[in-house]
Amino acid sequence: GEDVEQSLFLSVREGDSSVINCTYTDSSSTYLYWYKQEPGAGLQLLTYIFSNMDMKQDQRLTVLLNKKDKHLSLRIADTQTGDSAIYFCAETDGNNRLAFGKGNQVVVIP
Amino acid sequence: DTEVTQTPKHLVMGMTNKKSLKCEQHMGHRAMYWYKQKAKKPPELMFVYSYEKLSINESVPSRFSPECPNSSLLNLHLHALQPEDSALYLCASSQDSSLPNYEQYFGPGTRLTVT
Repeated sequence: GEDVEQSLFLSVREGDSSVINCTYTDSSSTYLYWYKQEPGAGLQLLTYIFSNMDMKQDQRLTVLLNKKDKHLSLRIADTQTGDSAIYFCAETDGNNRLAFGKGNQVVVIP
Repeated sequence: DTEVTQTPKHLVMGMTNKKSLKCEQHMGHRAMYWYKQKAKKPPELMFVYSYEKLSINESVPSRFSPECPNSSLLNLHLHALQPEDSALYLCASSQDSSLPNYEQYFGPGTRLTVT
C-alpha cells in the first residue's frame, strides 16, 4: 500500500501558527486530505486538496501541496486550545481506499 | 444531518461472548465502512459496503462478521475475540465509494475491551 509519512509531535503556544508536514508516495493520488481526531472521538475531515492545486486556504487552515517532492503541509493560523488533537493526512489509493499517515499530535499550550 | 452514530460507546466483553456494534447514518450515503484503530495509530480499514453489498474485506479474521441490513445501518458482529482485538472501532460513511473524491464522515467510535 501507499506509505504516508508524518512527524509525530508538535507543541505550540496559543495564538502562534502550527505547521504539520506529510509526505506521500503515490503520485497518482487525485485528492489529499487532512483529518483531525480529538481525544476519544472519531475523525473529522478538515480539508482536502485536489492534486492539480498548489495551495488551498480555508479560514485558519492553509494546505500546501508540492507534487514534485510529494509533500503536503497543513498550516493552522492563530492556533487555539481547541486545535489540540491528532492530525492525519491521507490519500486515496488506486482502489479509492483512504491511506492514512501515522498522525501528528498537536498540543496547544495556553 | 451529517452525523454518523455508533452504539455502544464502550464495550467490555469476554473472549467467549458474542456482541454486536451498531452504526447508523441518515445522509443517504451508499457506502459504509468499518475501521479498527489502536491507540496513537491511524485507522485501519476492515470492511467496505457499497450499495449494501460487501465490496472490500481487508483479510479480517472471521471472528468479525459485518452486516448491512439496509442502506442506513451497518453492524459488526463479534464472536470469540482475542485481547489484541481491543481497540476503537470506527464506522464511516460516504456518498459513493467508487468516486475518487468522497468525503468520509466518521462516527465517534466504540471503545472495545476484550478481557
